[in-house]
Amino acid sequence: EPEVTQTPSHQVTQMGQEVILRCVPISNHLYFYWYRQILGQKVEFLVSFYNNEISEKSEIFDDQFSVERPDGSNFTLKIRSTKLEDSAMYFCASSDGDGYTFGSGTRLTVV
Amino acid sequence: RKEVEQDPGPFNVPEGATVAFNCTYSNSASQSFFWYRQDCRKEPKLLMSVYSSGNEDGRFTAQLNRASQYISLLIRDSKLSDSATYLCVVNLEYGNKLVFGAGTILRVKS
Repeated sequence: EPEVTQTPSHQVTQMGQEVILRCVPISNHLYFYWYRQILGQKVEFLVSFYNNEISEKSEIFDDQFSVERPDGSNFTLKIRSTKLEDSAMYFCASSDGDGYTFGSGTRLTVV
Repeated sequence: RKEVEQDPGPFNVPEGATVAFNCTYSNSASQSFFWYRQDCRKEPKLLMSVYSSGNEDGRFTAQLNRASQYISLLIRDSKLSDSATYLCVVNLEYGNKLVFGAGTILRVKS
């Protein structure tokens, strides 16, 4: 069964550092997403990406965040100048417009 | 009002029990409805889509009431392996963002 792959599975970074979270969506999917889940809280939408541009973003997705599809397979989330409150699980998802598949997530810990 | 509301539980039930979860959503324009399952510190996994006519998948039955903006999930003959958090999820149209409820915790005990 096709899957969404995320790397790394766990990243520890110092406050103020930049991190890049990587995702390889399912190859024939056209819609890509990033969600985050702070420990003990609900899954929150960050951003959606379609046709090589952001199609929607949440209030959380401020200037600190950016997304990129640098080639035909990778989809990245960059967080500039990380804050303690950025500590969370970050899930990438992709969709063919019907079903959604989530990656296993990257646990980001900001210290 | 929250976009998707669920009773957080936990629901503690014995093996073999029948348990029901409910969910309400605020946006009447929502088009697609799902139940996802999430195990501790894992990604959400699709349990089933929810259709207006209601649908069943083995021990799981989902119902949608658009007039009341209400979704339900019924689990029959609970197994220990059903222990997880069940997430009610909606979106406005295919391809759009998913909006998650906070989840209902189910614990099935022997």
